[in-house]
Amino acid sequence: EVQLLESGGGLVQPGGSLRLSCAASGFTFSGYTMSWVRQAPGKGLEWVSSISPAGDYTESADAVKDRFTTSRDNSQNMVYLQMNSLRAEDTALYYCAKKKVGTNPFDDWGQGTLVTVSS
Amino acid sequence: EIVMTQSPATLSVSPGERATLSCRASQSVSSSLAWYQQKPGQAPRLLIYGASTRATGIPARFSGSGSGTEFTLTISSLQSEDFAVYYCQQYNNWPPLTFGGGTKVEIK
Repeated sequence: EVQLLESGGGLVQPGGSLRLSCAASGFTFSGYTMSWVRQAPGKGLEWVSSISPAGDYTESADAVKDRFTTSRDNSQNMVYLQMNSLRAEDTALYYCAKKKVGTNPFDDWGQGTLVTVSS
Repeated sequence: EIVMTQSPATLSVSPGERATLSCRASQSVSSSLAWYQQKPGQAPRLLIYGASTRATGIPARFSGSGSGTEFTLTISSLQSEDFAVYYCQQYNNWPPLTFGGGTKVEIK
């Protein structure tokens, strides 16, 4: 059974930093692109970033580029989202999701971890 | 960036009735279109990919159609567990991967 378990969310002040983690199991982790998708309270889904299976290529949404960094550790089946210079508009539930390489949808999602940016 | 537009925002349907949800892309996404279902307090779940292929374990009452810029998700006979928010997403041309704003299917 595929499991994606996010952690690391919490309350942080504007301008602060937070590191989210996603622990994966139940599939061949090193064979999948891993992504972060967020959902602000009461709003829709927004793609944040993706990282290639080997971790050598990442893409990020313009809204987070230069502030958020995505990485992975295939030896530990973990993916991370380092979030710096946080803003109120980054407040959201952050989901970890997996997709096959190439033109494919997100086929599994975690339950999310909540990030609240507020003073 | 490809903008995805869903309509209607809210759809009121009686159990047992048919529901038809629409999704439009601002430019062609070929058949690289997915539908997700999200229930309150839950993560999204993949329903349809490739515009018309049901994901594993998805009941046959869910069907998808369309290609290019116009897509439809049809739920043939709504069950109580189908009342949820539905999102479309294009994955043909990225970054960015983009979602529609969602359609809430509520009980009439």
